[in-house]
Amino acid sequence: QVQLVESGGGLVTPGGSLRLSCSGFGFTFSDYYMSWVRQAPGKGLEWVAFITPGSTVTYYADSVKGRFAVSRDNSRNSLLLQMDSLRVDDTADYFCAGAAKETYWHFDLWGRGTLVSVSS
Amino acid sequence: SYDLTQSSSVAVSPGQTATIPCSGDKLGGTYTAWYQQKPGQSPVLIIYQNNRRPSGIPERFSASSSGTTVTLTISGAQAVDEADYYCQAWDTDTYVFGTGTRLTVL
Repeated sequence: QVQLVESGGGLVTPGGSLRLSCSGFGFTFSDYYMSWVRQAPGKGLEWVAFITPGSTVTYYADSVKGRFAVSRDNSRNSLLLQMDSLRVDDTADYFCAGAAKETYWHFDLWGRGTLVSVSS
Repeated sequence: SYDLTQSSSVAVSPGQTATIPCSGDKLGGTYTAWYQQKPGQSPVLIIYQNNRRPSGIPERFSASSSGTTVTLTISGAQAVDEADYYCQAWDTDTYVFGTGTRLTVL
């Protein structure tokens, strides 16, 4: 069964760090461009970070640039998001999402999300 | 990057046609996708490459484009279609999501 499973969310104080993980199952992970997308409570979807299959290119939303870092390990079918200097407005459900190589402009696969809460 | 604007809510009666527009300056020159998200669930792709449906998505979902506006149409909306709907596009180095539309079927 094709699925993405996120982990690593939790409660952290402002200025702290957290690392999220996403594991892929049932598909060829290395064939997919991967992203993190977040959704603040009661709000819409916001794309956060992107990484190509070979990890050669990464892109970030302006709101997280310089604070977050995305990486992947295709041998372990895993995607990571290192989040530093966390702020209250980073509080959100974080989804990992996959886009097939041939059609990278939309997301075919979504995880169920992991909740990050930033609060003092 | 740029903004994609959607109306905040749409309401229809069961069996009616629901239309959900999405506008953005660059929409005329890029592929657009649509996602459905029900409460407590992750988004699901329902339309990609402007008007293609993934397998398993009912035929009542379709999309069209005119200028810088793309529109999701749900023909014969059902109670099960109550959800939030997001348009999405890719722009050079950014994925952009629309502001989202809550569809109520009552």
